[in-house]
Amino acid sequence: QKEVEQNSGPLSVPEGAIASLNCTYSDRGSQSFFWYRQYSGKSPELIMFIYSNGDKEDGRFTAQLNKASQYVSLLIRDSQPSDSATYLCAVTPDTGNQFYFGTGTSLTVIP
Amino acid sequence: GAGVSQSPSNKVTEKGKDVELRCDPISGHTALYWYRQSLGQGLEFLIYFQGNSAPDKSGLPSDRFSAERTGGSVSTLTIQRTQQEDSAVYLCASSFSQGGTEAFFGQGTRLTVV
Repeated sequence: QKEVEQNSGPLSVPEGAIASLNCTYSDRGSQSFFWYRQYSGKSPELIMFIYSNGDKEDGRFTAQLNKASQYVSLLIRDSQPSDSATYLCAVTPDTGNQFYFGTGTSLTVIP
Repeated sequence: GAGVSQSPSNKVTEKGKDVELRCDPISGHTALYWYRQSLGQGLEFLIYFQGNSAPDKSGLPSDRFSAERTGGSVSTLTIQRTQQEDSAVYLCASSFSQGGTEAFFGQGTRLTVV
């Protein structure tokens, strides 16, 4: 069983819409949760992190964490073509030795 | 430094040769990670260093791979007797402490074994 699972997509949304990206994880003791954006040919870039249940908002981005359901999501409001990228979910276990990454969800925002 | 620095950016090597990849983490970051990303694939964990503790080598794919971190700062990933399946982008990341705080990636080294 994979530690972190994401729908690989591709996910396509029209410009201005809300993009919803989802991630589930297997280790119930996981403590920290991260979303990275990776443009084609580039390295991952951290865009959000969340440690507590609930929502965390940063500009157009909202991370949502539900530890009971072992589920973390990223909402992108007012999606822009520049948001087109692969979004990677990362989780650190209770021991905190490494980051477990999902395989990423490819997002395309259509002008 | 301002960010994680990796060198070289690109490396083409012949099958069977040894290569060294370098990572200079963000100043003050005690945790350092190496990942590998093959074309169109996710990130594969290789090795993790935290301060002066013994590294977590559980992700190294074979004994041809090794890594060291000198003085708790710069790290070198060495691949001996390279094979074509080693071709990938090797990514280094650092964080302020062990997993649980944000990690920042370098630009990566694209390794091509011919």
